[in-house]
Amino acid sequence: KNQVEQSPQSLIILEGKNCTLQCNYTVSPFSNLRWYKQDTGRGPVSLTIMTFSENTKSNGRYTATLDADTKQSSLHITASQLSDSASYICVVSDRGSTLGRLYFGRGTQLTVWP
Amino acid sequence: EADIYQTPRYLVIGTGKKITLECSQTMGHDKMYWYQQDPGMELHLIHYSYGVNSTEKGDLSSESTVSRIRTEHFPLTLESARPSHTSQYLCASSDRETSGPWGTQYFGPGTRLLVL
Repeated sequence: KNQVEQSPQSLIILEGKNCTLQCNYTVSPFSNLRWYKQDTGRGPVSLTIMTFSENTKSNGRYTATLDADTKQSSLHITASQLSDSASYICVVSDRGSTLGRLYFGRGTQLTVWP
Repeated sequence: EADIYQTPRYLVIGTGKKITLECSQTMGHDKMYWYQQDPGMELHLIHYSYGVNSTEKGDLSSESTVSRIRTEHFPLTLESARPSHTSQYLCASSDRETSGPWGTQYFGPGTRLLVL
């Protein structure tokens, strides 16, 4: 069964600290993996996209890693800011059909405290 | 900031009423999607469209219907709202992508629906 599991479910950190969010997936055949940020009351916004051959991709203070062998990804946030408080969603797509298929994780709810 | 809009942002309505959730995008994207999201849960695809006059049901069974008469417009309709329809509804669109079957999806701000 194709699934995307994220951990932790929620996380509280102090402003300025670093954190790492985890994503494990069983989606096959794999096409790509995206991390989205969803602010409360808003739609998700794409942060990074990684294909099978990519190990690391950065977007400012966000760095995503992908290990396609172990089917794991992480999102590292450096020097956290209050505006980083949001839900971070891991999304994996397959390439099993013309349209493909997206599998969503439940997200990690990050709260940054001053 | 994505050019995709949803109205209304919040809607409180009584059981049995007919409602239409509006979604418009100005990016000229062919593909559009409707997702349902409950608090703390993953997004579930309920409808999608390849382009004008093309609509398909998604993975999550839904009593809603959609139409795609114009590229930029993808409204979702509930003929008779029930409390079980209470949820957040997110509209998204994506462009053609040269690699992989899915383009990056751009999401609207969502409509929070409460059916009493």
